Parts: sequence; C-alpha cells; structure tokens
Amino acid sequence: QKEVEQDPGPLSVPEGAIVSLNCTYSNSAFQYFMWYRQYSRKGPELLMYTYSSGNKEDGRFTAQVDKSSKYISLFIRDSQPSDSATYLCAMTPSGNTGKLIFGQGTTLQVKP
Amino acid sequence: SQTIHQWPATLVQPVGSPLSLECTVEGTSNPNLYWYRQAAGRGLQLLFYSVGIGQISSEVPQNLSASRPQDRQFILSSKKLLLSDSGFYLCAWSLPLAVQETQYFGPGTRLLVL
Repeated sequence: QKEVEQDPGPLSVPEGAIVSLNCTYSNSAFQYFMWYRQYSRKGPELLMYTYSSGNKEDGRFTAQVDKSSKYISLFIRDSQPSDSATYLCAMTPSGNTGKLIFGQGTTLQVKP
Repeated sequence: SQTIHQWPATLVQPVGSPLSLECTVEGTSNPNLYWYRQAAGRGLQLLFYSVGIGQISSEVPQNLSASRPQDRQFILSSKKLLLSDSGFYLCAWSLPLAVQETQYFGPGTRLLVL
C-alpha cells in the first residue's frame, strides 16, 4: 500500500463548477500538508499548505485536512479553464526531514 | 526573492552516454536541495537531497549520482545512461532547518534516452 493515495483522474468539469480533489494517507505522523499545481511540461508550484487539521482558504481555493480520517481535500470554486493542470498532494511528518511524500497527482480539465 | 534555475530544459541522449544536469538557486543561503524524477503518469520520486556542500543523501540506488560543489549549486550525473533514465527531472529547494517542509521547484529538465 502506498503511503499517499490519489486518484489520477482525469477529472473533467465544466467552467464554473466546484472541484473537489482528494488524497488519503496511511502514516499518522504526517503533520504538514501541501497542494501543488503542475501545468503540462512545467515544474510544480506550491498552491496551499496547512498544518495539522482544519481548513485554509485562499481566494477560490480551500484546503481541508481531516487527520482522524487521514484524508485531505482541495476545493476549487468557480473553476476556470486556466485551472486545468495536474494537482499533487504532498505531506511530511513534523521536523526538517528533507522528505515530502507525494501523491500521484490528479489531472483536471476545466472545459469552457 | 528566490529563484531556481535548471538547464538544459530538454535533452535527448543515446543509451550509454554520460549525463550532467545542473540546478542553481538564487536569493537564499544554505538551502536544502533536492532532485526528483517524474515518470509519465506517475508521482514524484525523490532521488537525492542535500543539506549542505558535499552532503548528499541518496534515496534510490541506481546509476545516477549527485554532487553539491557550491552552496547553491546541485548537479545530477550519470556515467552511462539507461533507457529507464528517461523522465522529467526536477530540482527543488527548501529553507534550511525549517519545520514547515515546503519545497519550491524549478522548471525541470525533460530527458529522453534513446
């Protein structure tokens, strides 16, 4: 079993839809959770990060962490064609371990 | 602000040839540096990371090696490339001794071994 599971998709939605992207994990030691967005043939860019459980909102993006269920989510409101990309979740235990554990990434396509 | 550079952007190499990919970071000192490989349709695989000059940790045994000759320079090398070395190679950096392990990625090098 992988430490982090993420449905690779692809996920196709119409413009304006609410998108839900999810990851599950098995290591209860994970404390820091991140979402990266990767456009085709580009490096990943940090989108959101959260510590422990709870929600964090930034514009149209909301990140949720449920440590009891070992489940994290990224919600995109009013999705735009420019949101079409691969979204990678990543997580790490507390401390400077030098190691992020990544999900496989979910490919999202927002159709105009 | 910090920036990270990788070159070349694209590389096509024959099997058995050597490899040298370079990564440099600007705007920060003593960063942690990382090399990842991303195969098509797969997640990021950590290959090497470094917390300082000459300090390299290898995550996956293979025919690749890494070196850090300067504080903000990270090099990925191979003496003889294999077909399986094809992929998208990403360099990343993070703040030293940061509890929050956020990493920032470069633009990547796409390597095709034929």
